Amino acid sequence: QVQLVESGGGVVQPGRSLRLSCAASGFTFSGYSIQWVRQAPGRGLEWVAVVSNDGTIKYYADAVRGRFTISRDNSKNTVSLQMNSLTAEDAALYYCAREVGTTFLLDYWGQGTLVTVSS
Amino acid sequence: QSALTQPASVSGSPGQSITISCTGTSSDVGAYNYVSWYQQHPGKAPKVLIYEVNNRPSGVSNRFSGSKSGNTASLTISGLQAEDEADYYCCSHTSSITWVFGGGTKLTVL
Repeated sequence: QVQLVESGGGVVQPGRSLRLSCAASGFTFSGYSIQWVRQAPGRGLEWVAVVSNDGTIKYYADAVRGRFTISRDNSKNTVSLQMNSLTAEDAALYYCAREVGTTFLLDYWGQGTLVTVSS
Repeated sequence: QSALTQPASVSGSPGQSITISCTGTSSDVGAYNYVSWYQQHPGKAPKVLIYEVNNRPSGVSNRFSGSKSGNTASLTISGLQAEDEADYYCCSHTSSITWVFGGGTKLTVL
């Protein structure tokens, strides 16, 4: 069965870095783009970044561009989100999701990993 | 990129129909037929209901339907059921080659 499992969340001080991972199983990983979406506590969904199936195309939300880097390793069925210069506004539950095609049909989601930014 | 505009809350009685609007601009909702809708129950990951404005993934009830007119997309839920009580989010592609969500709508089934 299709599974996406996020990890790497935790408590980090403002200005520091954190690396999130999304481990996929149960499908042909190299055939799908992977999206990251975050949700601050009690708030709505916010799109973060996407990486294409082969890792060559990457797009970022304005709020994270220049600070976050998305990458993937198709040999290990994983996607990573390197987050630098974190601020309180980055505190959220981070979800990874599988995208069918390129039309934001996100058919499978992980359960999320929580990032807390606090001094 | 500003969030798409959704009503903060809507409500309806079992069996009724409700519609949730999602208003954007000519650079997002109005420019592309790439509007999707997601349902999120408390403590759960979102679930896709509609993609490309009016397409339902397999397994999604036909009580959920989507449409678009100009810069506004809509999600209609017919035959409301208690389990439909959840938060609903629209999402659109943008001319900046990014994606933007609406602020979310809390549906209460009375």
